[in-house]
Amino acid sequence: EAGVVQSPRYKIIEKKQPVAFWCNPISGHNTLYWYRQNLGQGPELLIRYENEEAVDDSQLPKDRFSAERLKGVDSTLKIQPAELGDSAVYLCASSLEAPKGNTEAFFGQGTRLTVV
Amino acid sequence: GENVEQHPSTLSVQEGDSAVIKCTYSDSASNYFPWYKQELGKRPQLIIDIRSNVGEKKDQRIAVTLNKTAKHFSLHITETQPEDSAVYFCAAKRSYIPTFGRGTSLIVHP
Repeated sequence: EAGVVQSPRYKIIEKKQPVAFWCNPISGHNTLYWYRQNLGQGPELLIRYENEEAVDDSQLPKDRFSAERLKGVDSTLKIQPAELGDSAVYLCASSLEAPKGNTEAFFGQGTRLTVV
Repeated sequence: GENVEQHPSTLSVQEGDSAVIKCTYSDSASNYFPWYKQELGKRPQLIIDIRSNVGEKKDQRIAVTLNKTAKHFSLHITETQPEDSAVYFCAAKRSYIPTFGRGTSLIVHP
């Protein structure tokens, strides 16, 4: 099993430029999460998908961030335009949720974004 | 929403000592409590978890306890080794969403 795969691993961009991150979850996992992790902090949820539907996106700054999960598999997270404060590690995670919602989330390696 | 507090933020121990990390949560509806270990530059990886119908779980040198009434749970690592050095995150999961604590940096001195 390949695990959750993210790309790129690292990205450096100038402020005001667009950037996109890609995530391939574990095969068969119905739930996909995007988290942002600032240095020295825990992951903070940006958006959660159940299959192809975004069901929790209240923490996503919708003026500049967008996400999609086509066909309920791969997902992309986009920032346009990027700001200096967006520098962080963006983590993707997936899980196969049971009705009680008490199952493990598996994380990808993350994309470290630096905005200069 | 859920709020998870974790402490201490940094924990320094000698090899062989025990380490305890504590977390509290705010939402009594949370029903799943995983602990993740994150080494520098790597992904968070689950090391142990506990569900709300269990009070304690142990796996070799690590154990987790859950007190639902007080809404707190703890990670216990015995006989610490240098390779245990990492950042540890607790999480409380409610309605399919894990909310994470801020992390504890554990340093094990040889």
